[in-house]
Amino acid sequence: QSALTQPPSASGSPGQSVTISCTGTSSDVGDYDYVSWYQQHPGKAPKLMIYEVTYRPSGVPDRFSGSKSGNTASLTVSGLQAEDEADYYCSSSAGSNKQVFGGGTKLTVL
Amino acid sequence: EVQLVESGGGLVQPGRSLRLSCAASGFTFDDFAMHWVRQAPGKGLEWVSGISWNSGKIGYADSVKGRFTISRDNAKKSLYLQMNSLRPEDTALYYCAKSRVVRAAADYWGQGTLVTVSP
Repeated sequence: QSALTQPPSASGSPGQSVTISCTGTSSDVGDYDYVSWYQQHPGKAPKLMIYEVTYRPSGVPDRFSGSKSGNTASLTVSGLQAEDEADYYCSSSAGSNKQVFGGGTKLTVL
Repeated sequence: EVQLVESGGGLVQPGRSLRLSCAASGFTFDDFAMHWVRQAPGKGLEWVSGISWNSGKIGYADSVKGRFTISRDNAKKSLYLQMNSLRPEDTALYYCAKSRVVRAAADYWGQGTLVTVSP
């Protein structure tokens, strides 16, 4: 049960798009469509941004989108805004009633 | 409004035990799976354990299996985490979260309770 692999950091200027990757294995990301993405601002609880690879919860801007190919999932943030600066974590079902998180990516809006 | 309120954290010596609780309100508790997720100071999120609506499906991270036990009381709308044989590396903010089923995303989170394991 190893953590999913995310880049430690990502950045973009306001209005630009940025994509964060999340690489797992054929036992987690590659085997299930239960991939989700969370946003966490400093000192706050995580907030669900994407679930089941591509779905956005009510209230999440459509600037946030998700996708998956093989063992790698991706989160794309379009039209970057200052408030998007945060830590982002991916998560996947890992079988046997388990889940696994990625190490997190710090997104900086330049 | 969905509310998840964790309690029971504190300072504990290595090898000792602690029991965390999570009080739920604002939703039909026994319709949802529940989870514990932790975050060590300055570190990332780590899924700890999950339990289905009727306790029929339970899972643990390898790092806590055999030491931690998750349980729920649907009549009391409460989730629990019994933590035994605590280690310094268990020091973290422990979040309670809900999801549709055990393998699904956690759509609401509490604010966490801090557990510090230190001599």
